[in-house]
Amino acid sequence: EPEVTQTPSHQVTQMGQEVILRCVPISNHLYFYWYRQILGQKVEFLVSFYNNEISEKSEIFDDQFSVERPDGSNFTLKIRSTKLEDSAMYFCASSEAPARTEAFFGQGTRLTVV
Amino acid sequence: DQQVKQNSPSLSVQEGRISILNCDYTNSMFDYFLWYKKYPAEGPTFLISISSIKDKNEDGRFTVFLNKSAKHLSLHIVPSQPGDSAVYFCAALESQGNLIFGKGTKLSVKP
Repeated sequence: EPEVTQTPSHQVTQMGQEVILRCVPISNHLYFYWYRQILGQKVEFLVSFYNNEISEKSEIFDDQFSVERPDGSNFTLKIRSTKLEDSAMYFCASSEAPARTEAFFGQGTRLTVV
Repeated sequence: DQQVKQNSPSLSVQEGRISILNCDYTNSMFDYFLWYKKYPAEGPTFLISISSIKDKNEDGRFTVFLNKSAKHLSLHIVPSQPGDSAVYFCAALESQGNLIFGKGTKLSVKP
């Protein structure tokens, strides 16, 4: 069964450092998403991406965040200068279409900023 | 502001009985809802969905009911099994395809 894969599973970084979280979406999917879940809180939408550009982003997705699909298979989330409050589980998701179909999620990357 | 609310953080049910997980929403423009299940250390897994043109959708042991006038939906699992123990998230789908999640309800099914 096709699945979304994320690497690494756990990333520890020092405050102020840049991190890149990687995702390989399901191959025939066209829409890609990043969500995050801070410990004890709900899963929150960060950004959606289609046709090599951002479709929509939330208030959380400020100038410190960026996304890229560098090679047609990977989908990355970059945080330029990490803050302690960026510590969370980051989930990548993909879907065939934005409406009326479910999004498939990866297993998540746990980011710990120290 | 919480557009999707799951007011019960946890639910404990005996194996074989019915589990009912509830969800309320505030935005009447939402017209498609999904339930996801999440085990520890894994990403959310799609379970079942419902469009607002329906009031019920059934898939095996899982049934989702939608009451548009009350802006309420519920997920019924019957019979509940120990393997159903997980966190269940209700989500509303926005037009761009992004999901708005509730905080989740942790279901424990006891043998």
